[in-house]
Amino acid sequence: EAQVTQNPRYLITVTGKKLTVTCSQNMNHEYMSWYRQDPGLGLRQIYYSMNVEVTDKGDVPEGYKVSRKEKRNFPLILESPSPNQTSLYFCASSAGILSGNTIYFGEGSWLTVV
Amino acid sequence: AQSVTQLGSHVSVSEGALVLLRCNYSSSVPPYLFWYVQYPNQGLQLLLKYTSAATLVKGINGFEAEFKKSETSFHLTKPSAHMSDAAEYFCAVSDLNQGGSEKLVFGKGTKLTVNP
Repeated sequence: EAQVTQNPRYLITVTGKKLTVTCSQNMNHEYMSWYRQDPGLGLRQIYYSMNVEVTDKGDVPEGYKVSRKEKRNFPLILESPSPNQTSLYFCASSAGILSGNTIYFGEGSWLTVV
Repeated sequence: AQSVTQLGSHVSVSEGALVLLRCNYSSSVPPYLFWYVQYPNQGLQLLLKYTSAATLVKGINGFEAEFKKSETSFHLTKPSAHMSDAAEYFCAVSDLNQGGSEKLVFGKGTKLTVNP
């Protein structure tokens, strides 16, 4: 079964305490990305990766880092979380969408920074 | 860059009534278009997608959408609403990042309420 798995699903943390949200896909997709969802704003892309060791900024990258050391994993790192990073985060993977392929999303990670 | 406008952040219909959720995109070049649904406390599920084949696209759960190039629209419809359709719906369009890779640009979402 095609899956994108994120962990943790729910997290409350304090300002400044580094955290990592993991993402793993089992479809051998080259393309992975992170989005955040905020009320009234829809989903906005944070970072994306075209392949192993190839990453780039999306629309709202400030305060985030990513890495892509293996094809299946694409962790999102918040080095020093702040309250404005309280959001719902989605990891996504695809074989590429410009050919019309589907983007698969994880179930989301609710992050609260206090 | 592409943008997506979903008219109506909240739509309320009665059970059995027609569902119409509106989506307009900005580009004059036909992109790939998608509708996703998000049920409460769940992730995003693909309802349907337009990939330049038929302009009327059928999706899961009885939903369909029609691509109209002249109107730059991709409205989502369902003839008869069911209580289980209550969710938030997102229209999305394919676009390119500055580096030339691809991404989805999402609308702000429409929350559908179905009244008994």
